[in-house]
Amino acid sequence: KAGVTQTPRYLIKTRGQQVTLSCSPISGHRSVSWYQQTPGQGLQFLFEYFSETQRNKGNFPGRFSGRQFSNSRSEMNVSTLELGDSALYLCASSSGLAGALGEQFFGPGTRLTVL
Amino acid sequence: AQSVAQPEDQVNVAEGNPLTVKCTYSVSGNPYLFWYVQYPNRGLQFLLKYITGDNLVKGSYGFEAEFNKSQTSFHLKKPSALVSDSALYFCAVRDDGAGNTPLVFGKGTRLSVIA
Repeated sequence: KAGVTQTPRYLIKTRGQQVTLSCSPISGHRSVSWYQQTPGQGLQFLFEYFSETQRNKGNFPGRFSGRQFSNSRSEMNVSTLELGDSALYLCASSSGLAGALGEQFFGPGTRLTVL
Repeated sequence: AQSVAQPEDQVNVAEGNPLTVKCTYSVSGNPYLFWYVQYPNRGLQFLLKYITGDNLVKGSYGFEAEFNKSQTSFHLKKPSALVSDSALYFCAVRDDGAGNTPLVFGKGTRLSVIA
């Protein structure tokens, strides 16, 4: 089975721009979660989608949004980029809801740099 | 609200010596506990989990963790460290008494195994 894929792997943007990141989960997985990883804060939960519905949302401003398609692929969007949005964005998939009894499978991440 | 703490940012150990990476948690119900490892430029990989049952959990790559309810801890251990174990380790918890909540991750502990 192919693992979780994320595109693009690297991205450089300037302040004020917007960005869209993509995640393809493992085949058959219906749950996709997004995390922001920074050296100081570790992994911060952004949101989780299950069967096209947002099930959980972390404590991030409304500039961060996401969606899930019928094939379980997910996108996250960040509008009006700020310098502090520079981070590694990780996507994880699982067969059930994230944090349930099964583990999550992570993609390699998208490294976003905001200049 | 559920939380998890990894009190050490960095752990150094000599190759062949036992290693311990500490994790403590706080939940209102029963904890579901996980350990993940992140190698450079990679996503997180699942190591092991505790849901219920035996307090000593065995996982991938020779790692194990001991669930201690009275001390609210879930320390990761390995009897003999390898240089290839050098990586960033994350503990995560979900509170089964808090409804459908996502996993909460610690800030990570960087393990360096010195030859």
